[in-house]
Amino acid sequence: AQTVTQSQPEMSVQEAETVTLSCTYDTSENNYYLFWYKQPPSRQMILVIRQEAYKQQNATENRFSVNFQKAAKSFSLKISDSQLGDTAMYFCAFMRSNDYKLSFGAGTTVTVRA
Amino acid sequence: NAGVTQTPKFRVLKTGQSMTLLCAQDMNHEYMYWYRQDPGMGLRLIHYSVGEGTTAKGEVPDGYNVSRLKKQNFLLGLESAAPSQTSVYFCASSYSTSGEPTGSYNEQFFGPGTRLTVL
Repeated sequence: AQTVTQSQPEMSVQEAETVTLSCTYDTSENNYYLFWYKQPPSRQMILVIRQEAYKQQNATENRFSVNFQKAAKSFSLKISDSQLGDTAMYFCAFMRSNDYKLSFGAGTTVTVRA
Repeated sequence: NAGVTQTPKFRVLKTGQSMTLLCAQDMNHEYMYWYRQDPGMGLRLIHYSVGEGTTAKGEVPDGYNVSRLKKQNFLLGLESAAPSQTSVYFCASSYSTSGEPTGSYNEQFFGPGTRLTVL
């Protein structure tokens, strides 16, 4: 089983500022996918961003970007220009290539302050 | 499209009671999953299905059973509920991509969750 570690249980950020969430993972695989999911108070799980391990370029989706360091097995999420609607729990997740099962980290609760 | 739906949204059980959670998807996905979410532990896979009529155990299957008699439905059963099964349960479904140079992946779509309390 893959291990996904999110070492920050909670983070707080001022509106319009930037926050970075950390995620590390343990795998012996070379081909895999990494994901960040957002879970707002509504409980709905929303895919924020995906990174393919074979790609060196970091994925970006609007204000969300990742810093993928394959050798270090690190996959951090940066939220720029934080908005009140970004308040949520964020989960890092791992999937092996050609597999269909996700392994999740414990989550980081992000609170955006007005 | 409704996507992935779960019934019920909330439920309170007494220890020893049984119940079934229903998950339905209208996206014609082959794969379906049941997870539980507990504080400080993220989502953990209970059971999953790779197609109609097939099921398999995930990370935490004890105390649960599942069935996938129809492609669009995935049922999660608790035969004798225990307080340790108090949790939020999520269903998900996925399709397999193709064309990736190093293999496919499955993007999972989640239902809204069911909060279950066992007293």
